Amino acid sequence: DGGITQSPKYLFRKEGQNVTLSCEQNLNHDAMYWYRQDPGQGLRLIYYSQIVNDFQKGDIAEGYSVSREKKESFPLTVTSAQKNPTAFYLCASSIRGEETQYFGPGTRLLVL
Amino acid sequence: QKEVEQDPGPLSVPEGAIVSLNCTYSNSAFQYFMWYRQYSRKGPELLMYTYSSGNKEDGRFTAQVDKSSKYISLFIRDSQPSDSATYLCAMSVSSASKIIFGSGTRLSIRP
Repeated sequence: DGGITQSPKYLFRKEGQNVTLSCEQNLNHDAMYWYRQDPGQGLRLIYYSQIVNDFQKGDIAEGYSVSREKKESFPLTVTSAQKNPTAFYLCASSIRGEETQYFGPGTRLLVL
Repeated sequence: QKEVEQDPGPLSVPEGAIVSLNCTYSNSAFQYFMWYRQYSRKGPELLMYTYSSGNKEDGRFTAQVDKSSKYISLFIRDSQPSDSATYLCAMSVSSASKIIFGSGTRLSIRP
């Protein structure tokens, strides 16, 4: 059953804490993306990766970090530098060079 | 001005009605146009994809692109309560460029 999985579904962060959101895909897609979705706003691109061991900053990368050590996995770390982390985080993937992206179910991050 | 503008709604229509959802954009270089459907607390799912101008039909859904007016539409015929969701338009200049998303229109179909 091919698809994109994200975990956890809900995540709580304490002040000053780094947290990591997981994203895994078994679609054999080269490209992977992280978006942030806030109420009333469109999806905003945080980071993207076209190939393993390479990634680029999106529009709102400050306070976030990523790694891409495996084709299937693209974890996102929300660092303590991100002052307003409460949002719905979406991971997506696509075949490299194709414009259509496929999304995971999302992780909702809340601050305690 | 945002690159892509989309009325947030909410839009509420009775079951069986024809629904029209729209987006306007400012970048005339956009060539790839997509519509995503997002149910509450879920990830968006690709609904329709069109390249350049024209219409594309898939079952009860029709996507329309008018590049001269910089306007795209999604029509839903015979709307069902299960169509209640947020609809996001999205577009890009090329297959290698960033996708720009609209903010989404919340649609509610009343039984």
